[in-house]
Amino acid sequence: EDQVTQSPEALRLQEGESSSLNCSYTVSGLRGLFWYRQDPGKGPEFLFTLYSAGEEKEKERLKATLTKKESFLHITAPKPEDSATYLCAVPPWTGGGNKLTFGTGTQLKVEL
Amino acid sequence: GAGVSQSPRYKVAKRGQDVALRCDPISGHVSLFWYQQALGQGPEFLTYFQNEAQLDKSGLPSDRFFAERPEGSVSTLKIQRTQQEDSAVYLCASSLGGGPDTQYFGPGTRLTVL
Repeated sequence: EDQVTQSPEALRLQEGESSSLNCSYTVSGLRGLFWYRQDPGKGPEFLFTLYSAGEEKEKERLKATLTKKESFLHITAPKPEDSATYLCAVPPWTGGGNKLTFGTGTQLKVEL
Repeated sequence: GAGVSQSPRYKVAKRGQDVALRCDPISGHVSLFWYQQALGQGPEFLTYFQNEAQLDKSGLPSDRFFAERPEGSVSTLKIQRTQQEDSAVYLCASSLGGGPDTQYFGPGTRLTVL
């Protein structure tokens, strides 16, 4: 069974204090790893898709990287508006269509 | 363009009532997904449509849950005889094709069963 584990569960940063969020996964094969941001009371908002080990993608202060067993979401010089829950998810390798298995998320709080 | 929309945004039901939750996917999106999200958890898969065909309903927790997408566009998730454990946020997502494309989520419907 596919599993996705995210750490830490919660993270509190000062504005400008860079850090990384971890997403580790156990799947038979990877058909993509998705990162989403979720604000309270809203649906997940798509950030990145990564498909192969070594791949990196950037958007503003966020950079996602992928290895064979885990992905990192690096946040550089975060601002309070980056506060949200960050979710990662993977589709099944075979048989399960395209349903996503999500981790429980990392709740990020960036303070002034 | 317009994103995925869901209605109602909030629903309060008495235990035993039936509820219907609506999802309008992005126009032209072939695939539609329903997820359930409990407080402090990630979304959990319920069911998946490709056009009007329900290809996977393995995540539906009981036979009280039923979903349909009769014309391959709008979808409805129906819960019969609601129970307190059904209280959660129900998220709908759509994707352009039938492969592992990016899923775009709606705002969700928060269901509270009293």
